[in-house]
Amino acid sequence: QVQLQESGPRLVKPSQTLSLSCTVSGGSISSGDYYWNWVRQTAGKGLEWIGRIYTTGSTNYNPSFNSRVTISVDTSKNEFSLKLDSVTAADTAVYYCAADRGGDFDYWGQGTLVTVSS
Amino acid sequence: DIQLTQSPSSLSASIGDRVTIPCRASQNIGSFLNWYQQKPGKAPELLIFYASSLKSGVPSRFSGSGSGTEFTLTISTLQPEDFATYFCQQSYDTPRTFGQGTKVEIK
Repeated sequence: QVQLQESGPRLVKPSQTLSLSCTVSGGSISSGDYYWNWVRQTAGKGLEWIGRIYTTGSTNYNPSFNSRVTISVDTSKNEFSLKLDSVTAADTAVYYCAADRGGDFDYWGQGTLVTVSS
Repeated sequence: DIQLTQSPSSLSASIGDRVTIPCRASQNIGSFLNWYQQKPGKAPELLIFYASSLKSGVPSRFSGSGSGTEFTLTISTLQPEDFATYFCQQSYDTPRTFGQGTKVEIK
């Protein structure tokens, strides 16, 4: 069974870049079985899909993030990463990584709360 | 973007009740609708995919129905562990979108 674990700084200053990684275990990120996603959750906006990457490096992003987002994959580490530029307090959220095989999110990380504050 | 509307945002029910949770899509999404359960402090967990397919290991008291724009998650006999928030999510198109959730509370 696939397991995912987020890691990265929990506190980011406004205007800086939020960076998170998701380590995949129980399967190879290169298998081609899944898309690898980032989803965030806030009290105000609920669950928001940020974007996804396939093992080939092909990406899809949510246009609402206005080109601030980059998702990349490192097959040697069996992990994928999220970078969100120019953050504001509105980017304070619980960030999840998730795996989807057919559009539904089969597996989720436990989530990590990232706070944007000076 | 495809909007998913879940109303009510919360409902009260008793152990043993039959509970139905609706989800409406802003356009026809066929059967590309998934349901998740989330408990406080935990990640969402997939219950139902493709509108009515039960994920392996999920109790059979959970079922999904609907197509097009109207969907329903049904819990046939509410158990204590079912008190949680339920979200719908569409996989018809990107960006993927979620409903705002329906919280099932104890009456």
